[in-house]
Amino acid sequence: NAGVTQTPKFRVLKTGQSMTLLCAQDMNHEYMYWYRQDPGMGLRLIHYSVGEGTTAKGEVPDGYNVSRLKKQNFLLGLESAAPSQTSVYFCASTYQGSVEAFFGQGTRLTVV
Amino acid sequence: GQQVMQIPQYQHVQEGEDFTTYCNSSTTLSNIQWYKQRPGGHPVFLIQLVKSGEVKKQKRLTFQFGEAKKNSSLHITATQTTDVGTYFCAGRSSNTGKLIFGQGTTLQVKP
Repeated sequence: NAGVTQTPKFRVLKTGQSMTLLCAQDMNHEYMYWYRQDPGMGLRLIHYSVGEGTTAKGEVPDGYNVSRLKKQNFLLGLESAAPSQTSVYFCASTYQGSVEAFFGQGTRLTVV
Repeated sequence: GQQVMQIPQYQHVQEGEDFTTYCNSSTTLSNIQWYKQRPGGHPVFLIQLVKSGEVKKQKRLTFQFGEAKKNSSLHITATQTTDVGTYFCAGRSSNTGKLIFGQGTTLQVKP
């Protein structure tokens, strides 16, 4: 039981490049979330999903896209990376309406 | 939209002093959760409060949910160096499933 796994853990991108961050959970959770964490800003919700095939915008969705084709996976895409997207990205999952959210270890992304 | 505000942003205390962080939501919450993130780590769940006026304790930590279910607090008695980290509150919308975090309070403890 691995919990929530994020890949990659580190990445450096050039401005304009694209990439996809993968979040995988093996707990059969319905809800999945993508957050970004910047100094002094806390955890800001980018996009989230309440079930397979459904996604919704969070607080800071611009510049990101997501997909939830399988219940266990939640992908976060950056189509054209910008330096403002330099951040630590966390994925989380939880049961519907449930108690705790389980977080992945984070992905540190630098856009130069 | 739903907003969760947390104060203070930073707190430096001497070991043995008490610490409190406060959380306020712009909307009524179905529940509130508290998480702790150690430096370089990921957020880890501490507790959830559901009922209006609820108070829960975990050893030296006391969590409280306001009567109107729009505010909450975390109080640590006699801080230790192991308490260092950032404490987040998070509110879940029962309508949308969104889980919104406050900005966090970073606690530094001087030995």
